[in-house]
Amino acid sequence: ETGVTQSPTHLIKTRGQQVTLRCSSQSGHNTVSWYQQALGQGPQFIFQYYREEENGRGNFPPRFSGLQFPNYSSELNVNALELDDSALYLCASSKSGANTEAFFGQGTRLTVV
Amino acid sequence: GQNIDQPTEMTATEGAIVQINCTYQTSGFNGLFWYQQHAGEAPTFLSYNVLDGLEEKGRFSSFLSRSKGYSYLLLKELQMKDSASYLCAVRSLRDDKIIFGKGTRLHILP
Repeated sequence: ETGVTQSPTHLIKTRGQQVTLRCSSQSGHNTVSWYQQALGQGPQFIFQYYREEENGRGNFPPRFSGLQFPNYSSELNVNALELDDSALYLCASSKSGANTEAFFGQGTRLTVV
Repeated sequence: GQNIDQPTEMTATEGAIVQINCTYQTSGFNGLFWYQQHAGEAPTFLSYNVLDGLEEKGRFSSFLSRSKGYSYLLLKELQMKDSASYLCAVRSLRDDKIIFGKGTRLHILP
């Protein structure tokens, strides 16, 4: 058990809808990163939040947005859902500046129909 | 930018040894991770190398050469439960981002 929890664990949405995924980070960690993992692929970096600000972004369109709260928990929002957004969404928490691993939550499986 | 390469699939026999290689290119290096991921589950941490050399942890060892941009994960005494994907990931020195390779799917045969 890593102490990183994500909700919900599974979600089905219709194309064009909006979705919010949530992540609570491990105690003592101040950085949250979000990844999208399609079936059979490695996790693709979406963005990272540090001290409530976006601190790096991967190759994802602006309809992917996020927030980090003062307690370091985070949200990932996706607008105008497309079928290709169907994937496992992973949240990882880590401590900035420390040479330690990132801990993953169990992921949210999003299916867009 | 960062680029990480690892083989797509490998097959090995129960009880044997397997080495999974990873090469990377990055503009600023601050450590290399190996994660194990079973189908449908989140990645779990295996190892972290920031200095050159071999780190041993039970049946699993990880090696890093920063000058060559190269790492490998060595799995000994393979068990059926080791059938999984193994992800190599590199942390950027500039912004702490951790970027993953596509993963190596390891199949263990009895």
